[in-house]
Amino acid sequence: GNSVTQMEGPVTLSEEAFLTINCTYTATGYPSLFWYVQYPGEGLQLLLKATKADDKGSNKGFEATYRKETTSFHLEKGSVQVSDSAVYFCALSDLSGGSYIPTFGRGTSLIVHP
Amino acid sequence: DTGVSQDPRHKITKRGQNVTFRCDPISEHNRLYWYRQTLGQGPEFLTYFQNEAQLEKSRLLSDRFSAERPKGSFSTLEIQRTEQGDSAMYLCASSREGQPQETQYFGPGTRLLVL
Repeated sequence: GNSVTQMEGPVTLSEEAFLTINCTYTATGYPSLFWYVQYPGEGLQLLLKATKADDKGSNKGFEATYRKETTSFHLEKGSVQVSDSAVYFCALSDLSGGSYIPTFGRGTSLIVHP
Repeated sequence: DTGVSQDPRHKITKRGQNVTFRCDPISEHNRLYWYRQTLGQGPEFLTYFQNEAQLEKSRLLSDRFSAERPKGSFSTLEIQRTEQGDSAMYLCASSREGQPQETQYFGPGTRLLVL
């Protein structure tokens, strides 16, 4: 079956530091990969996605590259801000059973200090 | 605002009571999903609809849970005889069939606390 493994948090950084949140996956098919962000008390927001190998998803300074050879989709940002403090979820979806029901990782909490 | 909306945002109930949540998807989306999220975990799939048809249900969805989407637009999730273990955030998401990889758009969630 499909699964997603994320690095455990919390990740604590100072403002303007470089961010990496690791994500690896196992999939039976050829999945699409996603990063979602969840701010306190809110639902999930799609941050970025990639649909095929070597695609790079990017949004709001965040990037992630779909690496089929290492089955990874690590999230990076060159300079984090306090407002980036949130929980980040890596997810995959493929056409299992005729529908794109995603599988989520457990989430990685990011805390950015001024 | 044309995003996914959920109502109520918070619900506190006593054990044994019934609760019902509502989700309004993005208007042109024909697929609607319900998830449950507990503290420190990612969303867990419960069920999904294509138009008014409920096509898949997770084993997590016990017989105390029922979901409907009677006209293929909004959906309701009812939990009967609530238990303390039902305390969680209930998330709704929608997508459009045929969109590449069918990106799901999530609502803000309904946080349920069972006392």
